[in-house]
Amino acid sequence: DIQLTQSPSFLSTSVGDRVTITCRASQGISSYLAWYQQKPGKAPKLLIYGASTLQSGVPSRFSGSGSGTEFTLTISSLQPEDFATYYCQQLNSYPLTFGGGTKVEIK
Amino acid sequence: EVQLLESGGGLVQPGGSLRLSCAASGFTFSSNAMSWVRQAPGKGLEWVSAISGSGGSTYYADSVKGRFTISRDNSKNTLSLQLNSLRAEDTAVYYCVKFTAATGTRFFDYWGQGALVTVSS
Repeated sequence: DIQLTQSPSFLSTSVGDRVTITCRASQGISSYLAWYQQKPGKAPKLLIYGASTLQSGVPSRFSGSGSGTEFTLTISSLQPEDFATYYCQQLNSYPLTFGGGTKVEIK
Repeated sequence: EVQLLESGGGLVQPGGSLRLSCAASGFTFSSNAMSWVRQAPGKGLEWVSAISGSGGSTYYADSVKGRFTISRDNSKNTLSLQLNSLRAEDTAVYYCVKFTAATGTRFFDYWGQGALVTVSS
């Protein structure tokens, strides 16, 4: 099974900051990686797929990069509505797996 | 507008069974793979199962293999998950998810609101 390791698991930061979250896969997954945002009590929301393609309607301050085993989600200037938990997911092979999550909180 | 509406959650004793359903609308159901994802209280996301558009291919996480069964009725635009031999660790919110799987790209683009399954005596 492919393991995904997200770092950091917790991030305390401020509005306007640049945020970078890393997701490392235990083996190569090409670009079959997606990023999701989840707010408390809500279903996850797709942000990025194919490692770097922005889902329709998602603000351009979100971006993704990487391929193979190392991937990055970047928020260029954190907004109040971006405080949430972020998950990466590999869709290269079954079983599909998620990273452990990164909680982004207000400093 | 894509809508996914889960039903069937509730409280069940260990060893018991439950059937979750997901009513889908707003897209061509039979052309899309579907999936279930769960989230235990205070924990992260865990993929549970997936099924192809035709229903001919199914996939399971090791943690549920042999106990859960995914199925679909394309005539009724409905996805189901039969949960048997339930354990306390199956307690979670179960999400129905639309799975876009095209050449070169795959992602979970729409999620239902979730159905809570609680396994407890």
